[in-house]
Formats: sequence, C-alpha cells, structure tokens
Amino acid sequence: AQSVTQPDIHITVSEGASLELRCNYSYGATPYLFWYVQSPGQGLQLLLKYFSGDTLVQGIKGFEAEFKRSQSSFNLRKPSVHWSDAAEYFCAVGTQGNEKLTFGTGTRLTIIP
Amino acid sequence: DAGVIQSPRHEVTEMGQEVTLRCKPISGHNSLFWYRQTMMRGLELLIYFNNNVPIDDSGMPEDRFSAKMPNASFSTLKIQPSEPRDSAVYFCASSFGFNEKLFFGSGTQLSVL
Repeated sequence: AQSVTQPDIHITVSEGASLELRCNYSYGATPYLFWYVQSPGQGLQLLLKYFSGDTLVQGIKGFEAEFKRSQSSFNLRKPSVHWSDAAEYFCAVGTQGNEKLTFGTGTRLTIIP
Repeated sequence: DAGVIQSPRHEVTEMGQEVTLRCKPISGHNSLFWYRQTMMRGLELLIYFNNNVPIDDSGMPEDRFSAKMPNASFSTLKIQPSEPRDSAVYFCASSFGFNEKLFFGSGTQLSVL
C-alpha cells in the first residue's frame, strides 16, 4: 500500500521569503502525486499534480513541485510567499490518477509580516 | 457551476441518532468520493463511486456507515447509529474520471455528543 510522509507539521515563513514543503512517498510503481491546499473551513483545492513526463510541475498561485524518484520525494516550492498563502498543505499519492488517494498529515503554513 | 455542494454544513446530534450527509457533485462528473478528516487520522477515503456504482468501500469504518448514489447528481452518507468517535469533517469530492482533478465540497462538520 502507498503512504505519504510530510515531516513538517508547522512552518512559519516571512512574507516574500521562499518556501519549500517536504513530501516523501512510498509506492512500488510510478506514483501519481498531488499537492492540495486547504484554507480554514474550506475543502481542498488542487495546486498541482504529477502523472508522468517533466519532473518539474507548475501549478496555480505560483507554486511548483519537483518529482525526484531517487529520493521518493515531491517537494512543493514557491519563490516568494504572500500572506494569502497561509493555509494547510497536503501531499497525496494515488495508484491510478486520483483514484484511492492517500493523503499526508498536512503542513500548516503561517506567514509573518 | 456552483461546485460540489454538501449539506448540512454543520450537524450536531446525540449518540445513537441517525445522521445523513448529502452531496451534489459537479454536473458532468462521473466519479464521487467521500472523505473523512480528523485531527488524529487526517484525511481518509471512505468510499468512492464511478458512474453511480460503488467501486471501493474498504475505507468505510464499520457497518454503521453506508453510502448510496441513486443518480449522477446526488449521494448520501449515512451513519446509524452515530457515536461520538464519528465526530469529524466529512468531505465529498467529484471528478470527471480518475485522471482529472478532484473538486472538493466545503465539508460537513459533524459533532456527535
């Protein structure tokens, strides 16, 4: 069975600083990988996904993620965060697209002025 | 499109009562998913449907939980009888197939006293 680890429960960064959220997965075959964002009281919104092809994936809101098979990682990055990026971020892995997604425990992002 | 619509937004009930959560997926989507989110266990997939047919219900915690999708525009998740440990946020999500993005509803916050 697949699994996802997000080692950072809570991260605080200054507005304008760069951001990297870590995600490691465990799956025997080529995974389908996702990053979702959840604002308080809201459902999840897809930021980006990796199915195949270019290992550097661009998403919405200026986010990108890089699939590194050798490290079993799919870290999320943003060069300059905005106060509106404060939210909870979830990495997820699927076996066939979004079928039976397994989510990580999430990383809460706080932005300070 | 109004997105995935869940009702009620909040539900408070007493232990032993029947609870029914409702979901209207996005029109045209043929896959529907029910997730549960708790602090302890994070996001868990309970059950999902494709073309109104349940595909995998292995995530349903107990026989007290049941889900139906009588048509393409409506699904219910029922808990009977409810218990305090069922308290969680329940999300419905839909997509067009498994290779397209998941759209989440805003969730139902369930509290069982």
